[in-house]
Amino acid sequence: EDQVTQSPEALRLQEGESSSLNCSYTVSGLRGLFWYRQDPGKGPEFLFTLYSAGEEKEKERLKATLTKKESFLHITAPKPEDSATYLCALRPSGTYKYIFGTGTRLKVLA
Amino acid sequence: GAGVSQSPSNKVTEKGKDVELRCDPISGHTALYWYRQSLGQGLEFLIYFQGNSAPDKSGLPSDRFSAERTGGSVSTLTIQRTQQEDSAVYLCASSLEREARTQYFGPGTRLLVL
Repeated sequence: EDQVTQSPEALRLQEGESSSLNCSYTVSGLRGLFWYRQDPGKGPEFLFTLYSAGEEKEKERLKATLTKKESFLHITAPKPEDSATYLCALRPSGTYKYIFGTGTRLKVLA
Repeated sequence: GAGVSQSPSNKVTEKGKDVELRCDPISGHTALYWYRQSLGQGLEFLIYFQGNSAPDKSGLPSDRFSAERTGGSVSTLTIQRTQQEDSAVYLCASSLEREARTQYFGPGTRLLVL
């Protein structure tokens, strides 16, 4: 069964304290793995798409990596404005459905 | 350009009433998805439209839920005889095509059934 598990559920960091969010997955074939940021009361905002193991993408303080079993979202020197819920989703091969994890709620303290 | 828009942003209704939720996708996006997000839960797939193909309704939780997409653009999600468990945020997303492309989400409609 295709599934996505995100950990931790919640994470509190001090400003400048780097960390990583995990997205573990099982899938028969991967068409794409996606990271989104969701602020309270808003829809998810696209961050990255990764297609194959070994691929990496960066944007400002965020870097996403992908292996055959998991993806990491690395946050370097976070700021309070990085506080949000980060969602991971995957698109299995042979389907147009996306499977979402339940997210990691990140709080960065000043 | 304009993103995905949804209306209303908030809806409070009484149990047993029907509601209609609207989604305007990004112009040119042929794929459109509806999701439901309950408190503390992941996004639950409801329905998928792609161009003129028959929609995939496999995620609709009951026959009280239906959706249509007119002219390959605007979509309406209808919930009949609403129940309290229907209370959630309903999110719409669009993407360029059937393939593994990025989905762009609207702000959602927050539905509260009293």
